[in-house]
Amino acid sequence: GQQVMQIPQYQHVQEGEDFTTYCNSSTTLSNIQWYKQRPGGHPVFLIQLVKSGEVKKQKRLTFQFGEAKKNSSLHITATQTTDVGTYFCAGYLILTGGGNKLTFGTGTQLKVEL
Amino acid sequence: NAGVTQTPKFQVLKTGQSMTLQCAQDMNHNSMYWYRQDPGMGLRLIYYSASEGTTDKGEVPNGYNVSRLNKREFSLRLESAAPSQTSVYFCASSKGQGANYGYTFGSGTRLTVV
Repeated sequence: GQQVMQIPQYQHVQEGEDFTTYCNSSTTLSNIQWYKQRPGGHPVFLIQLVKSGEVKKQKRLTFQFGEAKKNSSLHITATQTTDVGTYFCAGYLILTGGGNKLTFGTGTQLKVEL
Repeated sequence: NAGVTQTPKFQVLKTGQSMTLQCAQDMNHNSMYWYRQDPGMGLRLIYYSASEGTTDKGEVPNGYNVSRLNKREFSLRLESAAPSQTSVYFCASSKGQGANYGYTFGSGTRLTVV
């Protein structure tokens, strides 16, 4: 079946270092969404990318959608302790039989040390 | 503005017991979803309701049933709980089932089956 893989599974950084998580799909996606889940919390929608090669920024966060619409990345510049959490990508796949399906990646857990 | 409200927040069940997880949203969203989250597995879709009056199976529906009571409420029922159903359950909603809508998640129900 369709899969959305994320790497790395875990990442520990020192505060101030950069962080990147990568998302790869086995099939072409109509769009991709990113969510953040704080420890003990629930996923919170961050952003959606729709166009091939699209790049969006939210303060220190930069999101990219690949040209082939099969991969995406989230880059955080100069991490802060408030960035701690698990980041999920979620790819939207249009099904041949109609309808669509949002498939979540396995997530990257980010820990930031002072 | 409550968003998506789930009850209960925590529950311990004995094997074979039944229970219903409740979910309500106040954002006038059309689509609602039930996910389970297990360590290292990301978010897996159990059931979803694209609109009031319809429900469909997701990736892992076995052992669960759902009811879309009205536009606001979407409940998940475990008829005979098993230890494999120990998980964190999230309800989510979106404006529609199309590929342009982010999901809003509830705060989750942490279920332990002993």
